[in-house]
Order: sequence, then C-alpha cells, then structure tokens
Amino acid sequence: QSVLTQPPSVSAAPGQKVTISCSGSSSNIGNNYVSWYQQLPGTAPKLLVYDNNKRPSGIPDRFSGSKSGTSATLGITGLQTGDEADYYCGTWDTSLSAVVFGGGTKLTVL
Amino acid sequence: EVQLVESGGGLVQPGGSLRLSCVASGFSLDSYSMNWVRQAPGKGLEWVSYITRSSSTIYYADSVKGRFTISRDNAKNSLSLQMNSLRAEDTAVYYCARDRGLLSMDVWGQGTTVTVSS
Repeated sequence: QSVLTQPPSVSAAPGQKVTISCSGSSSNIGNNYVSWYQQLPGTAPKLLVYDNNKRPSGIPDRFSGSKSGTSATLGITGLQTGDEADYYCGTWDTSLSAVVFGGGTKLTVL
Repeated sequence: EVQLVESGGGLVQPGGSLRLSCVASGFSLDSYSMNWVRQAPGKGLEWVSYITRSSSTIYYADSVKGRFTISRDNAKNSLSLQMNSLRAEDTAVYYCARDRGLLSMDVWGQGTTVTVSS
C-alpha cells in the first residue's frame, strides 16, 4: 500500500488530454514539493516535473504539473503513442523522514 | 554526457550480502545528494536511501534500515550500497539517482538487478 494514491490506469485517444492524480496528506504533498516521473517499458524512470510544476530542460510543455492542498496532478496534452508508460508521483514525507512514491499509473493511448 | 552506471547486482542466497556501486560521469558527484531507488519485478518504485553531498545526513526506508548502508567516495565519483541480511523481498532492479534538490531525481542509472533466492 503506497503512501501516495494514484489511479492504476488511465487511457485516452491520440491528441487528447489526460490527467493523473496523486493524493497524499499534510505530512507529504501538503507541505513538500512534488515530482513526477515517466517510466517507459524496460527503461529507467525519467523526471518530468519537479517542484510541483517545473519542467526540466528538454521536457515538452505538453506535460504540466499542479498541486492543491494534499493532492497533485500531472496533465498531458496532445497525447502520442510514445507517451504510453507508467507515471509516478513522488515527494518527501516529513513524518516518515522518507521519500514516498505513488503506486504508479499506467497510461494507455488508444 | 551526464551519466550514472550501476554495477554489483547478481544472484545471492537469503541472508547473504551484496555491494552495489554507482559511478558518475559528466558531472561531479560531490555537488549532489544521491539516492538509491528499487523496483521489484512488476511493481512500482520504492525509495531505499538518501545521502547528502558530505554524507552528513543519511536516510533509509524502514524496510532496509539496519541492513543496508549507503556511502559515497566523492574523490572516486562513486556511490555505494552495502546490502546485508538479504531477503527474498529485496529482489529488485536497483537504481542510483541524482538529487537535483528537494528530493526530485533528475538523472538515473540504467539499474542493476539483485535476485535473492536459494
């Protein structure tokens, strides 16, 4: 059971928009920055969003992050088949003194 | 090119030990805190451990506390994870990951596989 809760799967058609939610508590998301990672099949995770809503260099603006209270959201617009991957949210949990990840969300582009 | 390369994985019996290494290239390891993250077969990401630049602060996941030890040698641009008293549930791909600040990980290695089985 992950400390952060994500939907197991989401799907949408190419060109459409999808959002992935990440729910936590005041000890993690509520008081710390959230990151989002993309893991393509058979590869290492890749940082998509950090500090709630910032993108590393090279990450297209189709990917966006937001946070409100104890929840965070990753948005992906203009979906492409190459976006099919597992997506994870992560943050620091002050009570646990540990990094916590969500259980991951599998994105299917139909 | 900024890169992390892990090594040291393999097959080990329950109760055994293994030492993982992670060598950085393209950047100076001493400028960054570092993490180990693992992923069991077919499962999600699980953070394992964190170490600051000077090794002054170290954190462990409860699942490995007392069994695993993270360390670094900045002069050799390398990070290590000593794993003792290994259990079947430690079977996973282990990644080292650079911390860009505030515990977001911007550079990941390709991973090294640890299998604990008799």
